[in-house]
Amino acid sequence: GQNIDQPTEMTATEGAIVQINCTYQTSGFNGLFWYQQHAGEAPTFLSYNVLDGLEEKGRFSSFLSRSKGYSYLLLKELQMKDSASYLCALSNTGKLIFGQGTTLQVKP
Amino acid sequence: SAVISQKPSRDICQRGTSLTIQCQVDSQVTMMFWYRQQPGQSLTLIATANQGSEATYESGFVIDKFPISRPNLTFSTLTVSNMSPEDSSIYLCSVDVEGGRGSSYEQYFGPGTRLTVT
Repeated sequence: GQNIDQPTEMTATEGAIVQINCTYQTSGFNGLFWYQQHAGEAPTFLSYNVLDGLEEKGRFSSFLSRSKGYSYLLLKELQMKDSASYLCALSNTGKLIFGQGTTLQVKP
Repeated sequence: SAVISQKPSRDICQRGTSLTIQCQVDSQVTMMFWYRQQPGQSLTLIATANQGSEATYESGFVIDKFPISRPNLTFSTLTVSNMSPEDSSIYLCSVDVEGGRGSSYEQYFGPGTRLTVT
């Protein structure tokens, strides 16, 4: 089976940097996704890590360590519009197993 | 990327009836998936819609309750049968496409169908 853990809620200040962690236990997976989901909307693709290391895409970066069963999403220069839920998901032959998501609140 | 549309965007249905949700993609894709997101919860995979063969269901989901069609590489339907209030959820289809970065790929979601069963 698979088990994915994320913090339930986080709060950060506009302009700051926040790191959202995702730890997992699994027998195997192809890669790890991060999605952003605003209330009432569908998830939006942010990143996909296959290999260990950091993937940078603008203000968002995602890191994966397979040996440690650990990933994080790093958001820089936070904006109010970044207030949303952030979901990490393990991919196995295309199927996604999601964590419960982290609700991020950005305050002025 | 892929542009995915779903119909209907939302519906309110009576207990015991059935609703068919359509998912259309703007390009041919091999794999299409159906997920459910219950209120306040994360997403749960229902099944993989295979073109030319029966769908593959995850544990806890059965074909009689959630029949799926996949007539071609750009379209799929999910039917929620004999509905009860517990079926009130958002239903989303997704596809994965080549990410253009070698072996990596990206998976995209449709806008979802918000179903309320009374």
